[in-house]
Amino acid sequence: VQLLESGGGLVQPGGSLRLSCAASGFTFSSYAMTWVRQAPGKGLEWVSSITGSGGSTYYADSVKGRFTISRDNSKNTLYLQMSSLRGEDTAAYYCAKTRGYVVHGMDVWGQGTTVTVSS
Amino acid sequence: QSVLTQPPSVSAAPGQKVTISCSGSSSNIGNNYVSWYQQLPGTAPKLLIYENNKRPSGIPDRFSGSRSGTSATLGITGLQTGDEANYYCGTWDSSLSAVVFGGGTTLTVL
Repeated sequence: VQLLESGGGLVQPGGSLRLSCAASGFTFSSYAMTWVRQAPGKGLEWVSSITGSGGSTYYADSVKGRFTISRDNSKNTLYLQMSSLRGEDTAAYYCAKTRGYVVHGMDVWGQGTTVTVSS
Repeated sequence: QSVLTQPPSVSAAPGQKVTISCSGSSSNIGNNYVSWYQQLPGTAPKLLIYENNKRPSGIPDRFSGSRSGTSATLGITGLQTGDEANYYCGTWDSSLSAVVFGGGTTLTVL
């Protein structure tokens, strides 16, 4: 089971970025997926989750209306479209597989991709 | 301000036991499964405990979890220097429809 994030980088405030998470080693469509971020020197912050079918999505208040989570089960890939980025969005972003449903916690984590929002 | 409350730090000597508490409410810990995660310096978090007290394969039985009411506890026995890490509790909050984490606890093995 492996998760590999990509798409991070340096972006100006107000800009956009799309993160991807390529999954392998499990039946991707059977599991809800989650994005968690960690600002430098800070704790874990949940960002967003999506059910296995993609039919339901959940967002932290801090990103609601600016970030969109989605998945392509045919490509075994999870996405996070981020727009109207702010300095406080600077963080390492981790993709994580849940144990089934969103309420079950995350059992596999990617290595993370870093997003830096700065002019 | 995290929804779940953890002590910022704990410490103990090698070979000793330590517990890390995680306090919440009826909308989160009280009615949903608790997970615990270990984050070694410079690495991604790793699942230690799921469904309050279950260990994934590969996690030694030195690590244990429990839940009582609206609080959960992670226990680590036979402390090793390799256990020095940040530990986070997490669960679903039914009122917020959100995953919530504790602020994290730094374990120092003296």
